[in-house]
Amino acid sequence: DGGITQSPKYLFRKEGQNVTLSCEQNLNHDAMYWYRQDPGQGLRLIYYSQIVNDFQKGDIAEGYSVSREKKESFPLTVTSAQKNPTAFYLCASSMLGGADTQYFGPGTRLTVL
Amino acid sequence: GQNIDQPTEMTATEGAIVQINCTYQTSGFNGLFWYQQHAGEAPTFLSYNVLDGLEEKGRFSSFLSRSKGYSYLLLKELQMKDSASYLCAVRDKDYQLIWGAGTKLIIKP
Repeated sequence: DGGITQSPKYLFRKEGQNVTLSCEQNLNHDAMYWYRQDPGQGLRLIYYSQIVNDFQKGDIAEGYSVSREKKESFPLTVTSAQKNPTAFYLCASSMLGGADTQYFGPGTRLTVL
Repeated sequence: GQNIDQPTEMTATEGAIVQINCTYQTSGFNGLFWYQQHAGEAPTFLSYNVLDGLEEKGRFSSFLSRSKGYSYLLLKELQMKDSASYLCAVRDKDYQLIWGAGTKLIIKP
């Protein structure tokens, strides 16, 4: 079964702690993306990667970091520098870069206490 | 700036038809997407328009007018399971997706 997995579904952290969100895909897609979703707002792009070992900042990259060491994996770290980290985080992938449809994982809801 | 506008919420009756509008102002245009998102779940792809006109896919159809910066998603024979948010997204000149805030559709029996 091909798809995108994100874990965990729900995550709770104390303020000041870094936390890493997992995203794995077995669709053989080249491009992967991280979005943040807040109530009443559209999805906002955090980071994206079109090939292994390369990634670019999106619109709201401050306070976040990523790596792309393998084609299948694109973990996102939410650092203590992110001022308002509580949100629903969505990972997506597409066959090519921007010229293809993006498909989403189930999301991780992060709550910082 | 770039902007996507959709109604915040709409209500419709089971079995009826509903049209969800999306207007956009973006830096260039390389296609428009509609996604469905149930509460707490991932968005799922519904349709893609890059040329003017209507694309039909079962109970769902999507229309695009590039000259007017306008699209709509038409849902026919509404079912309770269609209660969800519908997201409009436009791919700009740099092939980045610009997202609307979504339209929450409530279906009543």
